[in-house]
Amino acid sequence: ELKVEQNPLFLSMQEGKNYTIYCNYSTTSDRLYWYRQDPGKSLESLFVLLSNGAVKQEGRLMASLDTKARLSTLHITAAVHDLSATYFCAVTQSNFGNEKLTFGTGTRLTIIP
Amino acid sequence: EPEVTQTPSHQVTQMGQEVILRCVPISNHLYFYWYRQILGQKVEFLVSFYNNEISEKSEIFDDQFSVERPDGSNFTLKIRSTKLEDSAMYFCAGSTDMNTEAFFGQGTRLTVV
Repeated sequence: ELKVEQNPLFLSMQEGKNYTIYCNYSTTSDRLYWYRQDPGKSLESLFVLLSNGAVKQEGRLMASLDTKARLSTLHITAAVHDLSATYFCAVTQSNFGNEKLTFGTGTRLTIIP
Repeated sequence: EPEVTQTPSHQVTQMGQEVILRCVPISNHLYFYWYRQILGQKVEFLVSFYNNEISEKSEIFDDQFSVERPDGSNFTLKIRSTKLEDSAMYFCAGSTDMNTEAFFGQGTRLTVV
């Protein structure tokens, strides 16, 4: 059974600082997604990572994937308050003719001015 | 830009009542999913649906749950006899094929009292 773990679960950081969220998964998967979720809202897709060594960047967020270590990271550079949200990683396995997502536990990020 | 639309946005129901959650996928989507998120927890896969059949379901998706796409557009999730523990946000998602990213609706918050 595929398990996806994130750490930390909660992260409080000051504006301007850098930090990294980690996502580990237990078995081979096809692709890895990072999502942002604001309270009471839906999931906003941030990145999709398809292959080993993939790196994607958007603004102050950068995601990377190491398929051999089954590890993805979401790095936040010079955090700003607007980045406060819960971040989920999710991995897919194309079984049974579909591509269901298995989500991590989420990291609730709070940026303190 | 096309969106996955879910109705209602919030539904309050009494325990034991039947509820139907509705989703209108993007028109060229062929693969459909329902996910559930209990407040403060991670997103969990419920069921996937393709070619008018369930392709995979989780252990959460017991006999109280059913899905259908009766008219080729709406994709519905029915809970026959709701329990308090069914209170959650329910997300519908759709994709054009098995190996492409699924797009999420805005969610339906179900509150069982």
